[in-house]
Amino acid sequence: NAGVTQTPKFRVLKTGQSMTLLCAQDMNHEYMYWYRQDPGMGLRLIHYSVGEGTTAKGEVPDGYNVSRLKKQNFLLGLESAAPSQTSVYFCASEASYKQYFGPGTRLTVT
Amino acid sequence: AQKVTQAQTEISVVEKEDVTLDCVYETRDTTYYLFWYKQPPSGELVFLIRRNSFDEQNEISGRYSWNFQKSTSSFNFTITASQVVDSAVYFCALTANSGYALNFGKGTSLLVTP
Repeated sequence: NAGVTQTPKFRVLKTGQSMTLLCAQDMNHEYMYWYRQDPGMGLRLIHYSVGEGTTAKGEVPDGYNVSRLKKQNFLLGLESAAPSQTSVYFCASEASYKQYFGPGTRLTVT
Repeated sequence: AQKVTQAQTEISVVEKEDVTLDCVYETRDTTYYLFWYKQPPSGELVFLIRRNSFDEQNEISGRYSWNFQKSTSSFNFTITASQVVDSAVYFCALTANSGYALNFGKGTSLLVTP
């Protein structure tokens, strides 16, 4: 039981490049979330999903897209990366009012 | 709307001191859940506690204790006899329901020195 995993752990992008962050959970959870963490800002919700095939916007969705084609995977895409998207990205899945977080992805956009 | 305020940005204590981290929340929901997470220097988020709005009993787990007071909308966290390994950023968070995201405070950075 791996819990919540995130791929990759680190990435450096140039402005304008695209990439996809993968989140996978093996706990059969319906709810999944993507957050970003910036210094002094806590964690802020980007997008979330309440089940396979469904997604919704969170507090800071601009510049990101998501997909939940399979229950166990929640993908976060950056179509045209900007320096403002330099951050640490956390994925989480939830059951019974408890969220389980992945280890995070540190993304730098230059 | 929900909001979590952690007014203490940084706290520095000497080992073995007791320290309390403050958390004040705002919500219009009558049912809600409060959380504390620890983020050590390694970066992962470690779940510490969940408390629902109907349970105001204080909780103690080893050196950790939590004081939930609905009257003041506070959910404070106390570490007794702090240790260097307690050095981390601590986040308080709030949610109204399952399937809803957590609303996080901005975190309190705790430094415990020998």
